[in-house]
Order: sequence, then structure tokens, then C-alpha cells
Amino acid sequence: AQTVTQSQPEMSVQEAETVTLSCTYDTSESDYYLFWYKQPPSRQMILVIRQEAYKQQNATENRFSVNFQKAAKSFSLKISDSQLGDAAMYFCAYRDNYGQNFVFGPGTRLSVLP
Amino acid sequence: GAGVSQTPSNKVTEKGKYVELRCDPISGHTALYWYRQSLGQGPEFLIYFQGTGAADDSGLPNDRFFAVRPEGSVSTLKIQRTERGDSAVYLCASSSNSGGADTQYFGPGTRLTVL
Repeated sequence: AQTVTQSQPEMSVQEAETVTLSCTYDTSESDYYLFWYKQPPSRQMILVIRQEAYKQQNATENRFSVNFQKAAKSFSLKISDSQLGDAAMYFCAYRDNYGQNFVFGPGTRLSVLP
Repeated sequence: GAGVSQTPSNKVTEKGKYVELRCDPISGHTALYWYRQSLGQGPEFLIYFQGTGAADDSGLPNDRFFAVRPEGSVSTLKIQRTERGDSAVYLCASSSNSGGADTQYFGPGTRLTVL
């Protein structure tokens, strides 16, 4: 079964600085999708960024970028120029190519310090 | 609608009671998903529907949990004989299809507390 691990239960970053959240996963599949979701106190999960495993190029969305290392099964999220509104729980998630087996990691709580 | 909505936002019940949680997906979305999120953990998959049928219910923990989507839109998650361990936030999500690339849009969840 697929598993997703986030080894940092909590992280903090100074406003305007850069922070990297770690994620590793385990799968025997070659095609799959990886996601980072943000969950603020409102509870609503918001998609931050998505990576297709068949693409070598790392996904980027404005201040958010990933470092996807397929061989190492690593998928870290980098947040640049951190803002107070970035404070939230961040979940790494895996989904197979057929839309099955959507597995979330345990999450990392990010605090942004003014 | 503009987004996925879930009602109620909070539900408190007593052990042994029956509860229903409702999800209204984004209009036109054929795929609908239910997740359970316990305190301090990531969401855990329960069931997903493609149209009216349950395409995968492998995440339902036991036969006390059941979900329906009779007209392919609104879905109801039903929990019989609730137990204290059922206390969690129940999240619903929808997507336009059910492929791996499709983005799931989440609702705000229903916080269920079983006393």
C-alpha cells in the first residue's frame, strides 16, 4: 500500500523568508500524481501545487515550488517570500494514475513569524 | 454552486445515535469523495462516487458507515450506532472526473463529536 510521510510535525519561518517542507512517499507505481494541500483553521483544504510523476520538470506556482526526486521518492515544497497568510497545516498527498488510492501524509503545521 | 458545501458544520450526538452528514458538490462534478480527518492527522479516504454509484468504498471502516448519492449530485454519509471513536471532521470533495490528474475541491467539513 502507498504511504506518505511528513517528518516535520511543525515548522516556523520568518515573514519574507523561505521555508522547505519535506515529504517522502512509497509506491511501486511508475505513473502517479503528487499534491501539496494547505488547510487553514477554516478546515477547507486548498490545492497549492501538483506534480505529475512523468514530468521531470519541477512544478511552480508563484511563490510555491517543489523539488521532485522520483528515484528518492521525495517531494518537498518550497515557499518563498513567506507571508502571514501562509500559516496553516500543509499536507502532502499521493494519488495513482487511475484516480485511486488518494493518500495523505500526517501534515506539517507552518507558523509564519512577523 | 460556487463551491462544495457541507451541512451541518458541526454535529454533536450521543453514543449509539444515528447521524447523517450532507455534501453538495460543485455543479456538474461527476466524482464525489468522502474523507475522515481525525485530530492531528491527514484526511483518510472513505468512499468515492462516480455518478450515482460507489466506485470505491474500500475506506469505509465498518458496516456502520454507509453513503448514498441517489441522483448523482448531493451525497449523504450515514453513520449508525455512533461510537466515540467516530468523532472527527468529515470532509467531502468533488471533481469533474475521477482521473488521477483531476483536481479535487474540498468542502469545509462537518465536525462530528460523539459524547
